[in-house]
Amino acid sequence: KAGVTQTPRYLIKTRGQQVTLSCSPISGHRSVSWYQQTPGQGLQFLFEYFSETQRNKGNFPGRFSGRQFSNSRSEMNVSTLELGDSALYLCASSFGTGYTEAFFGQGTRLTVV
Amino acid sequence: GQSLEQPSEVTAVEGAIVQINCTYQTSGFYGLSWYQQHDGGAPTFLSYNALDGLEETGRFSSFLSRSDSYGYLLLQELQMKDSASYFCAVREAKSGSARQLTFGSGTQLTVLP
Repeated sequence: KAGVTQTPRYLIKTRGQQVTLSCSPISGHRSVSWYQQTPGQGLQFLFEYFSETQRNKGNFPGRFSGRQFSNSRSEMNVSTLELGDSALYLCASSFGTGYTEAFFGQGTRLTVV
Repeated sequence: GQSLEQPSEVTAVEGAIVQINCTYQTSGFYGLSWYQQHDGGAPTFLSYNALDGLEETGRFSSFLSRSDSYGYLLLQELQMKDSASYFCAVREAKSGSARQLTFGSGTQLTVLP
């Protein structure tokens, strides 16, 4: 079956703009989590959605938001972009919020200039 | 709160055995996972320990001691393709029934010929 699909793969934005990233989880998976990855910082948890509801939220400013649709696809939005938002944004899907294995997409590489 | 600590870098030669340690501090612990990420790739699941002891999957083994808040990933018969970043991650309880997957900063493993 198809894996986790993230679009776009690469994105260049300027400071102050906003961006929307998309994640389509594995068919049948209802949990989608978002992570920000920067060199040396590992994967920083942004938020998790399950059945269209945000279940957890990491320590990121309110400029970072997300949502999940009825087909489990998820989007995350970053408003008023800052240079420090340049990172790889990874989406992970799992069957449920408590499942042990998460499947990651290839990520969206966001560069803010 | 939570935190995970793992070494930032480990180097070993082909055919050797290497152990990557991970210590964690968290409330509502449910389990410890390990993920592998090659440069430019997506993190992929390696193993999960919910109970104390050793789990073996081929050349890779993972160990957990909940009383010591400690685990490790053991890689045997190292191959060049094992050069990658390895992340430990805790599955921990957050609000309600939600269980968040929180990652460490990763260990860069370099396998030398």
